[in-house]
Amino acid sequence: EAGVTQFPSHSVIEKGQTVTLRCDPISGHDNLYWYRRVMGKEIKFLLHFVKESKQDESGMPNNRFLAERTGGTYSTLKVQPAELEDSGVYFCASSQVGAQETQYFGPGTRLLVL
Amino acid sequence: GEDVEQSLFLSVREGDSSVINCTYTDSSSTYLYWYKQEPGAGLQLLTYIFSNMDMKQDQRLTVLLNKKDKHLSLRIADTQTGDSAIYFCAESFMNRDDKIIFGKGTRLHILP
Repeated sequence: EAGVTQFPSHSVIEKGQTVTLRCDPISGHDNLYWYRRVMGKEIKFLLHFVKESKQDESGMPNNRFLAERTGGTYSTLKVQPAELEDSGVYFCASSQVGAQETQYFGPGTRLLVL
Repeated sequence: GEDVEQSLFLSVREGDSSVINCTYTDSSSTYLYWYKQEPGAGLQLLTYIFSNMDMKQDQRLTVLLNKKDKHLSLRIADTQTGDSAIYFCAESFMNRDDKIIFGKGTRLHILP
């Protein structure tokens, strides 16, 4: 069974540009989460989807970040316009409803904003 | 508030036991976790413990939970070079949308 996949693995962009990160959860997992780790800090929760609905987006830093999960399958996280402080590793995780304690993480997207 | 603290570095000789410690502030956590991140890789769920348990053992891994002191530890017996990684302590809360709260991670370095 394929795990959580994320694309791209790395992205280097200039300040002011737009970047879109993609996450494909494990098939059948209705819960999808986005987290990020900026340099030297904790891994922080960004938001949580249940199917296509946003269950909790309390961790989204500001309105430059937009997450979508149309159709309840894969999810995208767009940063527009990117700022220097957005650099970090963005992780996606998924879990089954009823098994939320077991979140499986993807390999992450390493974003560098210059 | 929610806060998870752990030391940033630990060096251990190959073959010895590693003990990684973690403290947390919110006693209402439901699950406590240890995640492992190897260089260039994603987060791997190593083990987790339900908050009403004191101990969990899985092969070389032993997790100890002291709820009174809000202290979680991970013991790795017979540490191998492949155990070199960053270990994240984390907690989640059943009724708070399941988001996981992570510590900053402990980098485990194996000495030959």
